Parts: sequence; C-alpha cells; structure tokens
Amino acid sequence: GAVVSQHPSWVICKSGTSVKIECRSLDFQATTMFWYRQFPKQSLMLMATSNEGSKATYEQGVEKDKFLINHASLTLSTLTVTSAHPEDSSFYICSADLAEGVSDTQYFGPGTRLTVL
Amino acid sequence: QQQVKQSPQSLIVQKGGISIINCAYENTAFDYFPWYQQFPGKGPALLIAIRPDVSEKKEGRFTISFNKSAKQFSLHIMDSQPGDSATYFCAASEGTYKYIFGTGTRLKVLA
Repeated sequence: GAVVSQHPSWVICKSGTSVKIECRSLDFQATTMFWYRQFPKQSLMLMATSNEGSKATYEQGVEKDKFLINHASLTLSTLTVTSAHPEDSSFYICSADLAEGVSDTQYFGPGTRLTVL
Repeated sequence: QQQVKQSPQSLIVQKGGISIINCAYENTAFDYFPWYQQFPGKGPALLIAIRPDVSEKKEGRFTISFNKSAKQFSLHIMDSQPGDSATYFCAASEGTYKYIFGTGTRLKVLA
C-alpha cells in the first residue's frame, strides 16, 4: 500500500516551453501533497505544500507564478513549470501525506527528471 | 531551530558490518522522526519511523535509537549488505506539518 506515482519519469523540453508533472496517490486519498526539488547529491528542498481544494503554500524564494500547483482531487496534484529555462533543470519529487494513527507519513513518488535545453 | 543536522556525510562499511547514521535537532516540538532510503534516480522510500515516546524501534535489520534528552536519533543498519548502498535521509516534523530533512548520508557497503 501507500503508492505514489509520477508522470512523466523524465522530460526534455526547449527553453520557454511549459511542462506539467503529475503526482498521483494510487491507493489512498491525500488531502496534502508536497513538491520537492533535488539537486545532485543534495537533500530535498521543499518547494510548496499542495492542499486539495485550496491554493498551494509556497516556500520562501519559490516563484509561485513560475511553478504552478493544482491539487484538483484527493489523488492528484500537478506541478507546471512555466516558461522553463535551463536553470529549472532538476529532479522534481512529489510526496503524498497519509495520516496513520497520530502521525502523518509522507510517501514519495519516483521523481521526474526535467532537462531544459 | 528548524534544522536537522545529519552525520556523517558519507560512510563506507564492510559487508556484514553495522552502519550508523546520526541526526540531531533543536526544536523540542518535533514529534515524528522518519528515515528514508534513496537510490540514484529514484524517489525516497520510507524505511522506519519513530515517535519520541519510545527509545528504540526495530524493523528487520534497521533500528532507530532515540534520545529525547539529547535531542538525537540514529539509524543502525545491522549486517549491512551491498544492496543497502544508497543515500539515507533523516527527517523531523511537528504534528501534521511539513518535514525538515537532514542533509543526507551516502552509504557504500563493500562486498
């Protein structure tokens, strides 16, 4: 149980185009999902918290107009990188929050490798 | 105060040995401490987690030791295997709030 999928697993795009990444919780409902960015050999950097039916909460320094997040249902959140540039190239990972007893556990997707040419 | 300090940055262990990774925190409001394992090009996978009302939790070859007074917790991997070679992240959270991740430890287990 507690499986999270991401699509696509990798994407290459030209500078100036927009890219959408989907995150789905396959066997549970997630009121809250998180989007992270990870650079090589570094830790996970939280970009934003996505709440079903409401606006996402962005971390300081993350451009909300560039990284659009939509949490349309209890099993789907999307991240759209608008007008992508080479510096947006990175590994993007989502997680879905599952309430288990008194604790909330985040289950991560497999990640999406974005390369902007 | 929101940081979680993780050490060592990298670790090399012989097959069959014990791998030990340590994390320390400052925020006493943290009440949930998970450990994740990440292989290159993959998302992190939950290994084991602990709450501060217990001092130790064991699942198979993985054990978390928790010292509330010292505000430290550690991951022990017993009988380490080459397949355990990965990056390990500790994390801490307060209630249902977001996770604060450690900086990661790259473990290499020699065959």
